Amino acid sequence: KAGVTQTPRYLIKTRGQQVTLSCSPISGHRSVSWYQQTPGQGLQFLFEYFSETQRNKGNFPGRFSGRQFSNSRSEMNVSTLELGDSALYLCASSLNPGQDYGYTFGSGTRLTVV
Amino acid sequence: SQQGEEDPQALSIQEGENATMNCSYKTSINNLQWYRQNSGRGLVHLILIRSNEREKHSGRLRVTLDTSKKSSSLLITASRAADTASYFCAARGSQGNLIFGKGTKLSVKP
Repeated sequence: KAGVTQTPRYLIKTRGQQVTLSCSPISGHRSVSWYQQTPGQGLQFLFEYFSETQRNKGNFPGRFSGRQFSNSRSEMNVSTLELGDSALYLCASSLNPGQDYGYTFGSGTRLTVV
Repeated sequence: SQQGEEDPQALSIQEGENATMNCSYKTSINNLQWYRQNSGRGLVHLILIRSNEREKHSGRLRVTLDTSKKSSSLLITASRAADTASYFCAARGSQGNLIFGKGTKLSVKP
């Protein structure tokens, strides 16, 4: 079965612009989580969605937002980009949240802000 | 904030040797998981150990969990060059989301 698909793989944006990243989970998985990975901060939790509802949110400013659609696909949006937003953004899917399942990760979207 | 903290930050060994990585976490957990990441790609789930389990095996992997010390260890036996990667522990707390440590970078020399 197909894995977690993240698009685009690479993105270069200018400071002040906004960006939308997409994640399609494994078929049948209803929970999607987003992480930001940087060399300095490591893997930081952004949000978790289940059945189109945000269940948890990490400690990020309001410029970071997300949503989940009825087919479980998820998007995250970053507005007014800053240089510090340059990172690898990873999406992970699981059957249900908060259970004894491991996550399946996508390959990530590498965002560079110039 | 990081839930898990791995130790050491970097580890370099020869092929055939065993590699041990440790993880400490801060709050009570439902389970603890270990993941591998190759060179800035997505993470791959390796093994999950529940809070009521003390040890778990999967192939060449052995994970232990000590909830009284809030710590876990991952042992990779008979390491191969292909095991070269970063390894992360991740703790699932009561709120359900998975919080990752900063990882151990393992280098296995052929």
